[in-house]
Amino acid sequence: QKEVEQDPGPLSVPEGAIVSLNCTYSNSAFQYFMWYRQYSRKGPELLMYTYSSGNKEDGRFTAQVDKSSKYISLFIRDSQPSDSATYLCAMSYPGNTGKLIFGQGTTLQVKP
Amino acid sequence: DAGVTQSPTHLIKTRGQQVTLRCSPISGHKSVSWYQQVLGQGPQFIFQYYEKEERGRGNFPDRFSARQFPNYSSELNVNALLLGDSALYLCASSNRDGTYGYTFGSGTRLTVV
Repeated sequence: QKEVEQDPGPLSVPEGAIVSLNCTYSNSAFQYFMWYRQYSRKGPELLMYTYSSGNKEDGRFTAQVDKSSKYISLFIRDSQPSDSATYLCAMSYPGNTGKLIFGQGTTLQVKP
Repeated sequence: DAGVTQSPTHLIKTRGQQVTLRCSPISGHKSVSWYQQVLGQGPQFIFQYYEKEERGRGNFPDRFSARQFPNYSSELNVNALLLGDSALYLCASSNRDGTYGYTFGSGTRLTVV
C-alpha cells in the first residue's frame, strides 16, 4: 500500500465548476500537508500549505485536512481553463529530513 | 527574486554514461532536495542536503550521488545510466525544515537512449 493515495483521473469539468481533489494517507505521523500544481513539462508550484486539521483559504483555493480520517482535499471555486494542470498532494513530518511524500497527481481539465 | 534555477533544461545521454545536473536555490535557502519524476507519477525523493551535509536519502541505488557547495548550490550525479533513469529531475529549496513549504525548479529532463 502506498503511503499517499491520489486518484490520477483525468477529471474534466466545465468552466466555472467547483473542483474537488482528494488524497488519503496511511502514516499518522504526517503533520505538514501541501498541494502543488504542475503544468506540463514544468516543475511543481506550491499552491497551499497547512499543518493542522481544518480549512485554509487562499483566493479561489481551499485546502482541507482531516487528520482523524487521514484525508486531505483541495477545492477550486470558479474553475478556469488556466487551472488545467496536474495537482499533486504532498506530505511530510517533523524531522523527516526534508522528504516529501507525493501522491500520483490528478490531471484536471477545465473546458471553456 | 530569482527562483530555483536548474541546468541544463534538457539532456540526452547514452546508456552507461554519467550525467551531472545543477541547482541553485532561492537566496537565503540553505536546504536543497532532489526528486525524480517519471512520467505519470509524483516526484520521488532522492536526497536532501543542508549546510553541505546529506540529511536524507531516498530509495535510490548508489549510482546516484549529490553534493552541496558553500554557496548552497548543489549537483546531482548519476553514473552508469540506465534507460529507466529517463525522467524529470527536480530540485527544491527550502528553509531548514521546510516550515513554509518547498519551492521547486522547472527541472532537468533527462532522456537515456
